[in-house]
Amino acid sequence: AQSVTQLGSHVSVSEGALVLLRCNYSSSVPPYLFWYVQYPNQGLQLLLKYTTGATLVKGINGFEAEFKKSETSFHLTKPSAHMSDAAEYFCAVTGSGGYNKLIFGAGTRLAVHP
Amino acid sequence: DVKVTQSSRYLVKRTGEKVFLECVQDMDHENMFWYRQDPGLGLRLIYFSYDVKMKEKGDIPEGYSVSREKKERFSLILESASTNQTSMYLCASKQETYEQYFGPGTRLTVT
Repeated sequence: AQSVTQLGSHVSVSEGALVLLRCNYSSSVPPYLFWYVQYPNQGLQLLLKYTTGATLVKGINGFEAEFKKSETSFHLTKPSAHMSDAAEYFCAVTGSGGYNKLIFGAGTRLAVHP
Repeated sequence: DVKVTQSSRYLVKRTGEKVFLECVQDMDHENMFWYRQDPGLGLRLIYFSYDVKMKEKGDIPEGYSVSREKKERFSLILESASTNQTSMYLCASKQETYEQYFGPGTRLTVT
């Protein structure tokens, strides 16, 4: 069965520092992978996705992620954190059965301090 | 832009009440989903629907039912609300492009 592990439920960085949020997955089929962001009291917004093709994927707000099949990883990075990046981030992988379902990780709450 | 709306942002109900949560999408999407979100557990799929009147159980369907009479509307029903159903409920929809589009969520408290 598909599963997603996000290492670190809370990550804290200084403004201007590198952001690295880790995601590892298991999948019995070629995965489609997603990162979503949730700001306080809002729904989830898609940051970026990997389906096929280039393994380095660029998303909104300066984020990017690299699909590494050998490591079953899809870590999210941003070179320089901004205060507005403070939010909860969810990694997700498509489930089995026609890529209809998403399996979500538990989430990582990112704090950015001055 | 895709818009997914949910009928209430905050809801307080009593134990044993029947609760309806409604979700509407405006992009003619085939697929719609209901999740609950709890701290430390991420999002867990309750039910999804791939067509009008068609539904399929997700990972945690117990205590819930759904209704999809029209393509744009997907309702989640708590037949007899219990305190362990206090949670954030998120609706989503998607078409062929794989990403799901989420509504703002309904924070339900059952007392």
